Amino acid sequence: GENVEQHPSTLSVQEGDSAVIKCTYSDSASNYFPWYKQELGKGPQLIIDIRSNVGEKKDQRIAVTLNKTAKHFSLHITETQPEDSAVYFCAASHGDSWGKLQFGAGTQVVVTP
Amino acid sequence: SAVISQKPSRDICQRGTSLTIQCQVDSQVTMMFWYRQQPGQSLTLIATANQGSEATYESGFVIDKFPISRPNLTFSTLTVSNMSPEDSSIYLCSGVTGAHEQFFGPGTRLTVL
Repeated sequence: GENVEQHPSTLSVQEGDSAVIKCTYSDSASNYFPWYKQELGKGPQLIIDIRSNVGEKKDQRIAVTLNKTAKHFSLHITETQPEDSAVYFCAASHGDSWGKLQFGAGTQVVVTP
Repeated sequence: SAVISQKPSRDICQRGTSLTIQCQVDSQVTMMFWYRQQPGQSLTLIATANQGSEATYESGFVIDKFPISRPNLTFSTLTVSNMSPEDSSIYLCSGVTGAHEQFFGPGTRLTVL
C-alpha cells in the first residue's frame, strides 16, 4: 500500500520568513495530494491540494509543488505569520482508492514574532 | 466545500461500555470516512461508510468493534464498542465533495478510564 513520509517533524521560523515541508510517497499510482492544517483541538482543515496533472499550484501565500518522477511534493508558505503556527499534514490517494487518504506523520510549525 | 459537525465533541467513558458518535454533513457528499487520530499522532483510516450497506474496513479494524451506519448521503454514525483505555483517541468523520475535496469534522475526543 501507499506510504507517505513527511519532513521535518518540527519547524521553527521567524515571522516573515518562508517555511517548506516536504513529503515523499511510494505508490506511483497516487494522483491526488492534499495538505491539511490542524490547530490545537480542531479537525484538519484543507488548505490546498494538487493533482498529478499539475506541477505547481498557488493560493496567496501558500504553494504546493509536485514532482511525479521523484514521487515527492512540497508545501511552501511565504511571509509566515504567527497564525500559521499549527500542525501540517500531507496526504496522498489514487483513483482505485479514491478518498482513502494516506497521511504523513505531520509537521509542527512554530512561527515566532 | 462541506461543513461537517460531530456529536459529542468529547466524552469520558468507562471500560466495557460503548459510545456512538454522530456525523452530519451540511450538503451531499459522494463518500464518507471515519479516521482515528491517537494523541500527538497522524490520522489513520478506520473505514469507508457506505450508504445503505455495510461499511468497508481497513486492515486492523473490524465491524464488531467499530460498527458504522450511513442511512443517507449526509449522516453517519460510528460506534466504539466494548471500550478499553487503548481506544482513547480522537475520532474524525470526513466527507468527499463532488469536486473530490475531502473535508473533516472537528473530531470527537474520547477518553476511556
